[in-house]
Amino acid sequence: AQTVTQSQPEMSVQEAETVTLSCTYDTSESNYYLFWYKQPPSRQMILVIRQEAYKQQNATENRFSVNFQKAAKSFSLKISDSQLGDTAMYFCAYNAGNMLTFGGGTRLMVKP
Amino acid sequence: NAGVTQTPKFRILKIGQSMTLQCTQDMNHNYMYWYRQDPGMGLKLIYYSVGAGITDKGEVPNGYNVSRSTTEDFPLRLELAAPSQTSVYFCASIRARTGPYGYTFGSGTRLTVV
Repeated sequence: AQTVTQSQPEMSVQEAETVTLSCTYDTSESNYYLFWYKQPPSRQMILVIRQEAYKQQNATENRFSVNFQKAAKSFSLKISDSQLGDTAMYFCAYNAGNMLTFGGGTRLMVKP
Repeated sequence: NAGVTQTPKFRILKIGQSMTLQCTQDMNHNYMYWYRQDPGMGLKLIYYSVGAGITDKGEVPNGYNVSRSTTEDFPLRLELAAPSQTSVYFCASIRARTGPYGYTFGSGTRLTVV
C-alpha cells in the first residue's frame, strides 16, 4: 500500500517570506500523480498544484512551486511571498490507479 | 455549476442511530469516493465507486455501506452510529481513472455521535 508522510505537523512563516512544506511517499509504481491540497478553515479542499511523475520539470503555479525528487520519493511545496490567506492545512496526496492517498497534513500559519 | 454537493452539512446522532450522507455530482464523473477526516488528521478512504453498480472498500470501511445506482449519486450509510464515527466526511469525484486533473471535493459533512 502506498503511504504519504508529512513530517511537519505545524509551521509558521512571516508574511512575504518563503516557506517549504515537506512530503515523502512510498510506492512501487512508475506512473503516478502527486498533488498539494489546501484546506482553509472553511474545510473546502482546494487543489494547489499537481505533478505528473513522468515529467522531470517541477510544476509551478504563480507563488507555488514544487521540488519533485522521484528517486528520493520526495515532493515538497514552496510558497513564495506568503500571504495571510495562505494560512491553512496543507495536504500532500498521491494518486495511482483508483485511489488518492493523503498525508497527515501540515498546519501553516502566516504571521503579519 | 454545482460540482459535488453534500448534504447535510452538520448532523448530531445518538449512539445506535442510523443515517445516510448524500453526495451528488453533476459533472458526469465516473469515479466517486467517500473520505473521513478526523480532527487534525489527513483524509482516509472509506469506500469508492468506479461507476454505477460498482463499489469497493477503501482503508476504513467498517461501520459503513454505500450504493451507486446512478452515475450522479453516491450515498454513504451509517448503521448503528458509534462515537468513533465522529468525523468530517468528504465526498469526491473524478472523471477518469488517473490523470492530472485532481479530484473535485464536496464541502463536507460534520458528524458528531453522542
